[in-house]
Amino acid sequence: DAGVIQSPRHEVTEMGQEVTLRCKPISGHNSLFWYRQTMMRGLELLIYFNNNVPIDDSGMPEDRFSAKMPNASFSTLKIQPSEPRDSAVYFCASSESGYTGELFFGEGSRLTVL
Amino acid sequence: GNSVTQMEGPVTLSEEAFLTINCTYTATGYPSLFWYVQYPGEGLQLLLKATKADDKGSNKGFEATYRKETTSFHLEKGSVQVSDSAVYFCALSDLNAGKSTFGDGTTLTVKP
Repeated sequence: DAGVIQSPRHEVTEMGQEVTLRCKPISGHNSLFWYRQTMMRGLELLIYFNNNVPIDDSGMPEDRFSAKMPNASFSTLKIQPSEPRDSAVYFCASSESGYTGELFFGEGSRLTVL
Repeated sequence: GNSVTQMEGPVTLSEEAFLTINCTYTATGYPSLFWYVQYPGEGLQLLLKATKADDKGSNKGFEATYRKETTSFHLEKGSVQVSDSAVYFCALSDLNAGKSTFGDGTTLTVKP
């Protein structure tokens, strides 16, 4: 069975550039979460969707960050413009309907902003 | 709000040693509790879970018991292996809010 698929796995970009991270959740899962992981702040929930609708985006750092889920099988997290402090590993996770609390994580996208 | 507090790391043990990683939580209602493991370069994966008080989750020799009276969910393993070296996260899920709260993670290194 395919797990959560994220792309790109690694991204190196320069400050000011736009970055788009992509996620394909597990088929049939209807909740999707974006997390950011850094050494300093640990694992932070940025935003989550239920049935493609954003439910809580209180963790999104600022207006430079935006996330969309146009359909049940695809989500994007965009940073525009990117800054060095955005360097982190970004994880996407999905959960099946009826939210049991168990999350299935992708392998992450490591972002480095120079 | 909900919170999870984990034992600070890093933890370094010799192979076959006994492992305990402490986890306590604060939550309204009756959350489900989880331990996730993250191996280098990978995402988090579920290690074990417990959905109600006194439940014991177990997997791959790891165990944790949901203790409501002490609001704890400590992770234990009787004999660790080098392959257990990873970062371990304690988490709780608020089923009403539809989201999880994670601890800061504890890095475990097991030496041969």
